[in-house]
Amino acid sequence: SQKIEQNSEALNIQEGKTATLTCNYTNYSPAYLQWYRQDPGRGPVFLLLIRENEKEKRKERLKVTFDTTLKQSLFHITASQPADSATYLCALGMDTGRRALTFGSGTRLQVQP
Amino acid sequence: NAGVMQNPRHLVRRRGQEARLRCSPMKGHSHVYWYRQLPEEGLKFMVYLQKENIIDESGMPKERFSAEFPKEGPSILRIQQVVRGDSAAYFCASSPPTGTDTQYFGPGTRLTVL
Repeated sequence: SQKIEQNSEALNIQEGKTATLTCNYTNYSPAYLQWYRQDPGRGPVFLLLIRENEKEKRKERLKVTFDTTLKQSLFHITASQPADSATYLCALGMDTGRRALTFGSGTRLQVQP
Repeated sequence: NAGVMQNPRHLVRRRGQEARLRCSPMKGHSHVYWYRQLPEEGLKFMVYLQKENIIDESGMPKERFSAEFPKEGPSILRIQQVVRGDSAAYFCASSPPTGTDTQYFGPGTRLTVL
């Protein structure tokens, strides 16, 4: 069956450290993968998109990798801050024609000051 | 440039009533998507619309749910004869017609069915 798995338990790290979040998928062949941030009671906010032919993407303190052989994406936040505390969602896009995103259930990140 | 707007932000209905959720996409965006988020679950795709057309409704429940995106005005997600299991956060997203696969989300409508 098809599955998208993100760490179900909250990730607690100290301020200044690097947070690494994992997104694994099974029985999908995504054309691209997106990461979103969601705060309680709010809508998801787009962070990064990476395509199947890209290995790595960076944006300021954020880095995402995409390994289609391992069927895994890693999302890194360097020099983490308490303001980075939120739930992070990965979403798979199957092909640019269809456009529907398939979301994981998210990982809650808590950055301790 | 205003973001995606949704209203109402909170909606309370009794079982059997109708719920109407509205979504105004970002300026210049002609594609609208609706997702539902149940408590403690991920977002689930419901429907993808362009102006006056439903492109993909593979995630819509077969009964009681409908969506439209008229030539003028917001997109509407309509739920008839609501049941307690419809209680959820409903998010709308929009994207421009070309050039990106990124979807930009609104703040959501939280529907509570009593």
